[in-house]
Amino acid sequence: KNQVEQSPQSLIILEGKNCTLQCNYTVSPFSNLRWYKQDTGRGPVSLTIMTFSENTKSNGRYTATLDADTKQSSLHITASQLSDSASYICVVSVYGDSSYKLIFGSGTRLLVRP
Amino acid sequence: EAQVTQNPRYLITVTGKKLTVTCSQNMNHEYMSWYRQDPGLGLRQIYYSMNVEVTDKGDVPEGYKVSRKEKRNFPLILESPSPNQTSLYFCASSFTGSHLPYEQYFGPGTRLTVT
Repeated sequence: KNQVEQSPQSLIILEGKNCTLQCNYTVSPFSNLRWYKQDTGRGPVSLTIMTFSENTKSNGRYTATLDADTKQSSLHITASQLSDSASYICVVSVYGDSSYKLIFGSGTRLLVRP
Repeated sequence: EAQVTQNPRYLITVTGKKLTVTCSQNMNHEYMSWYRQDPGLGLRQIYYSMNVEVTDKGDVPEGYKVSRKEKRNFPLILESPSPNQTSLYFCASSFTGSHLPYEQYFGPGTRLTVT
């Protein structure tokens, strides 16, 4: 069964600190892996997209890594800001002969405190 | 401005009263999809469409219908809504291409309450 699992479920950090969110997946056939940021009540916004041949990608203070062998990804946030408070969702794409689906993790809820 | 729009943004209705949530995109995307999001469960795919007149079931299609008569529109239809369809709904769209990681754009969401 295609699954994406994220940890931790929630995380509280102080402003200015770094943090790392984890994502493990069992998805086949794997196409690419995405990290999204979702503010409460709003649509997810893409942070990074990585194919199986990429093992790191950055977007400002966000850096995602991918290990396709172990089927693990992480999202590292550097020098956190209050505006980083949101849910972070790991999503794996499955692309078959005539289908294209996204498998979503349940997200990590991050709270950055002053 | 490139965007995905949904209407209505908020809707309270009663059990059994048919409703339609519209979704429109102005980016000429082939792929469109509907998701529902419930607390603790993350986003789950309801239906998706690879192109005009091509639709397929996602993970939770029961109680929903869709149509794709035009490239830009992908309405979600609840023929007989029930309280367990109370949720936050998102429409999304993207280009498609063999294994190419196209950006998927999400709409602002529709909060539906069925009493």
